[in-house]
Amino acid sequence: DTAVSQTPKYLVTQMGNDKSIKCEQNLGHDTMYWYKQDSKKFLKIMFSYNNKELIINETVPNRFSPKSPDKAHLNLHINSLELGDSAVYFCASSMGFWNQPQHFGDGTRLSIL
Amino acid sequence: SQQGEEDPQALSIQEGENATMNCSYKTSINNLQWYRQNSGRGLVHLILIRSNEREKHSGRLRVTLDTSKKSSSLLITASRAADTASYFCATADGAASYGKLTFGQGTILTVHP
Repeated sequence: DTAVSQTPKYLVTQMGNDKSIKCEQNLGHDTMYWYKQDSKKFLKIMFSYNNKELIINETVPNRFSPKSPDKAHLNLHINSLELGDSAVYFCASSMGFWNQPQHFGDGTRLSIL
Repeated sequence: SQQGEEDPQALSIQEGENATMNCSYKTSINNLQWYRQNSGRGLVHLILIRSNEREKHSGRLRVTLDTSKKSSSLLITASRAADTASYFCATADGAASYGKLTFGQGTILTVHP
């Protein structure tokens, strides 16, 4: 069984479009994260939710809006996509956020044409 | 901002040899974690070492932490071709970081059969 699953795995779209990425975890964790990995493999946190409450909100454009309908789901909606948004987006989860390992999904590769 | 810097950026060895990767960081930390990423996949947690610990083992993996030098190392003994991957260190800062991990740029390890 997949622990942290993201859909879609690949997303190819035009500049200016709006798109969403979904993430679900079946580990019973209460904290979920979104990371962005650029072409040089540099991984940077974007957002984190604990029990559906936003606890980390890094400096990202407000075109990015996360939503956590429940503890097992964290979605990422992106408006007005730009070329610089091309990257791999990873969802992760953990049980609490203090001294805990994070479990990652396999990523969503977003390509903007 | 980038916290961890890893060295070397790339490492190529023969099966059976040991591989050592180093990570340096800048600010005080609560814990340091090592992750592995296979090509096209998400990150897999390897070891978490807390700031008051100096060494941890897990199977063929050995991690050391020197907080006075702000550095850590990951040793993989008796490497296998299946160990070929990118390895990342990530630091969790002190209080109020809410589990935020700051990743290094990784070491690409290639193990030749």
